[in-house]
Amino acid sequence: SQKIEQNSEALNIQEGKTATLTCNYTNYSPAYLQWYRQDPGRGPVFLLLIRENEKEKRKERLKVTFDTTLKQSLFHITASQPADSATYLCALWHNTDKLIFGTGTRLQVFP
Amino acid sequence: DTAVSQTPKYLVTQMGNDKSIKCEQNLGHDTMYWYKQDSKKFLKIMFSYNNKELIINETVPNRFSPKSPDKAHLNLHINSLELGDSAVYFCASSQSSGGVEETQYFGPGTRLLVL
Repeated sequence: SQKIEQNSEALNIQEGKTATLTCNYTNYSPAYLQWYRQDPGRGPVFLLLIRENEKEKRKERLKVTFDTTLKQSLFHITASQPADSATYLCALWHNTDKLIFGTGTRLQVFP
Repeated sequence: DTAVSQTPKYLVTQMGNDKSIKCEQNLGHDTMYWYKQDSKKFLKIMFSYNNKELIINETVPNRFSPKSPDKAHLNLHINSLELGDSAVYFCASSQSSGGVEETQYFGPGTRLLVL
């Protein structure tokens, strides 16, 4: 069956550390992956997109990697801050007509 | 400037009632979507419309009927509400459909509670 799983339901880290979130997929062959951030009571907000031919993508303190052999994407937040606390969702296009979301990881950054 | 807006934000109703949720986007996008996010925060697509035409219907019960009067609006009508319909419903839009690099813009969500 097709699945997109994110490493853990919740991740707690200390301010200043690097947070690493994992997205694993099964039985999909996405041309690219997207990462979204969702704050409580709000809709998801697009953060980054990485294509299958890109090993790594960066945006300010965010870094995403994409390994099509491992069927995995890693999402890193360096020098994390309490304001980074949110749920992070990975997503991939399926059959070019719909976005399939992962289960999400709730990140909590403690001061 | 609100890009994707939804009304109402909260909806509390009794089982068996009929209710509607409205969505509007001012981004000039061609494609709009309805998603359901359940209590475990899993976000799943229900419908998508491209230029007022239905292009995705994800085996949603036919009690749910989307309507797109124009490409800037997508409404969701739900008949005979059931307890299991309680969830957060998100509207979203993207420039077009089928573009593998399309990013989606989400509304703030409508929290539906069926009692």
